[in-house]
Amino acid sequence: DVKVTQSSRYLVKRTGEKVFLECVQDMDHENMFWYRQDPGLGLRLIYFSYDVKMKEKGDIPEGYSVSREKKERFSLILESASTNQTSMYLCASTLGGDTQYFGPGTRLTVL
Amino acid sequence: GDSVTQMEGPVTLSEEAFLTINCTYTATGYPSLFWYVQYPGEGLQLLLKATKADDKGSNKGFEATYRKETTSFHLEKGSVQVSDSAVYFCALQNTGGFKTIFGAGTRLFVKA
Repeated sequence: DVKVTQSSRYLVKRTGEKVFLECVQDMDHENMFWYRQDPGLGLRLIYFSYDVKMKEKGDIPEGYSVSREKKERFSLILESASTNQTSMYLCASTLGGDTQYFGPGTRLTVL
Repeated sequence: GDSVTQMEGPVTLSEEAFLTINCTYTATGYPSLFWYVQYPGEGLQLLLKATKADDKGSNKGFEATYRKETTSFHLEKGSVQVSDSAVYFCALQNTGGFKTIFGAGTRLFVKA
């Protein structure tokens, strides 16, 4: 079974802090994704990566950056956290771009 | 652009009731269609999928048929259980694309 893990289940940060969310998958998947999930809005794509060191902006990249130095690891960075970035963050990976395999999510609260 | 619209929740049913969650889509080309489920405290997981018109996806008693003429992919289950309480997401992915487009999600509560 594919396993996607995220570094934290719950995180509380203060406004202006730099925040790192990490995601690791163990099935050699090419593609990795970061979403945020908000009530009534479903999942919105922040960034995705189709190879090491390659990244593409999703629908809501503002205020975020990403890093993919190794195939199995995809990091989401909030350069200066703001209260409107309080959300559930979900990481996912795919092999050929079909079924997405999700991690358990990180619930981030920015105070 | 591509989009997915699904019925708003929450949907509240008694155990053994029949479930329908409506999903319609707008897309160019011939997308693959998915239903994902998110149980409390977990990430999403694939429930079922269909890759071409008239295909029926099924899993755990849930079914959905890819209807190109009505651009729909409605989720159905004949007899729901309390353990089916979750949020259900309809999604599409266009051919050759990396991106999956998700609906807003429908929360289902099943009462014993």
